[in-house]
Amino acid sequence: EDQVTQSPEALRLQEGESSSLNCSYTVSGLRGLFWYRQDPGKGPEFLFTLYSAGEEKEKERLKATLTKKESFLHITAPKPEDSATYLCAVITGGFKTIFGAGTRLFVKA
Amino acid sequence: SAVISQKPSRDICQRGTSLTIQCQVDSQVTMMFWYRQQPGQSLTLIATANQGSEATYESGFVIDKFPISRPNLTFSTLTVSNMSPEDSSIYLCSVMTDSNQPQHFGDGTRLSIL
Repeated sequence: EDQVTQSPEALRLQEGESSSLNCSYTVSGLRGLFWYRQDPGKGPEFLFTLYSAGEEKEKERLKATLTKKESFLHITAPKPEDSATYLCAVITGGFKTIFGAGTRLFVKA
Repeated sequence: SAVISQKPSRDICQRGTSLTIQCQVDSQVTMMFWYRQQPGQSLTLIATANQGSEATYESGFVIDKFPISRPNLTFSTLTVSNMSPEDSSIYLCSVMTDSNQPQHFGDGTRLSIL
């Protein structure tokens, strides 16, 4: 069965304390993996697309990486405005999109 | 990316009534989807809105409860029928331009049923 698991469920960081969020997947044929950011009261906002193992994408303090089993979203020197829920989603070989449950990130000043 | 507008942004409804949520996109898109998101939870796909034909519903969701229309490539509606408190949730519209591309979302409709 296709599955996407994100960990941890919640992460509390001090401002400037770098860390990583994990998205592990078990799917029949990965066509793409996406990272989203969701703020309270808003819809998910697209961040990155990764298509193949070894691929990396970077934007400001965020860097997404992909292996054959998982993806990481690395946050370098986070700021309070990085606080949000980060969602991972995959497109399977059957063109179905599956979302993970998300990681709630809290960054304290 | 496409700009997606949902209306209403929020509503409080009485038990047993129905509410229609609108989703307008600023460009033609191939695929449109409707999701439900419970507070603190991830996204649950309700259905794929098909232009010119009946929507494709996921397991656990039925047309009588969640009728969907999609008259053209830029607009869709989702109706939540005969509402009960269990239907209190955020309802999100999303679009996809290609089957290998990410979905893009509207800001959702926050629905509360008393």
